[in-house]
Amino acid sequence: RKEVEQDPGPFNVPEGATVAFNCTYSNSASQSFFWYRQDCRKEPKLLMSVYSSGNEDGRFTAQLNRASQYISLLIRDSKLSDSATYLCVVILKTGANNLFFGTGTRLTVIP
Amino acid sequence: NAGVTQTPKFQVLKTGQSMTLQCAQDMNHEYMSWYRQDPGMGLRLIHYSVGAGITDQGEVPNGYNVSRSTTEDFPLRLLSAAPSQTSVYFCASTGGGGYNEQFFGPGTRLTVL
Repeated sequence: RKEVEQDPGPFNVPEGATVAFNCTYSNSASQSFFWYRQDCRKEPKLLMSVYSSGNEDGRFTAQLNRASQYISLLIRDSKLSDSATYLCVVILKTGANNLFFGTGTRLTVIP
Repeated sequence: NAGVTQTPKFQVLKTGQSMTLQCAQDMNHEYMSWYRQDPGMGLRLIHYSVGAGITDQGEVPNGYNVSRSTTEDFPLRLLSAAPSQTSVYFCASTGGGGYNEQFFGPGTRLTVL
């Protein structure tokens, strides 16, 4: 079983739509959670951290559900510039070998 | 700050050739990692280092070597290239005990014929 699972999509949504992605993780000892964004043929970049209380950054909201072991990313009022692949990241404990990436969910926002 | 830099950006090798992918960071980060990214597989850890002089294997280390003689540099060596090593390679660094944001280099696109 993979440490982190994501729906690969693709998600094709019209401009202005709200879209949500989920990411499930298998290890209940996971400690830190992040969403990264990766544009085509570019490196991944941090979009936002995910906190237990949930956090919001403009049109983006990230939430953590420890009981069901998933994290979510909600994008409101989608823009064309939101088109990218979104990767979830789970860290079990300190150390570079305890970080796991999901395979990514591809989003295309259509005019 | 340049962040994380990688060279080359593109490389084509023949089976059996060796080469070194360079990675450097100027953020004084302790942790550095090498990943490969393949379609449908996500990012997979090849090797990592928690500080100068310390390296360890990740999920897919076979066919690769690393060294960490300085905090800044973390080169990845392909010993004898195989077509299965055709991939995009990313170097990353992180500070703060490994819990914090990973900063990625721009990647190296490698094709092995």
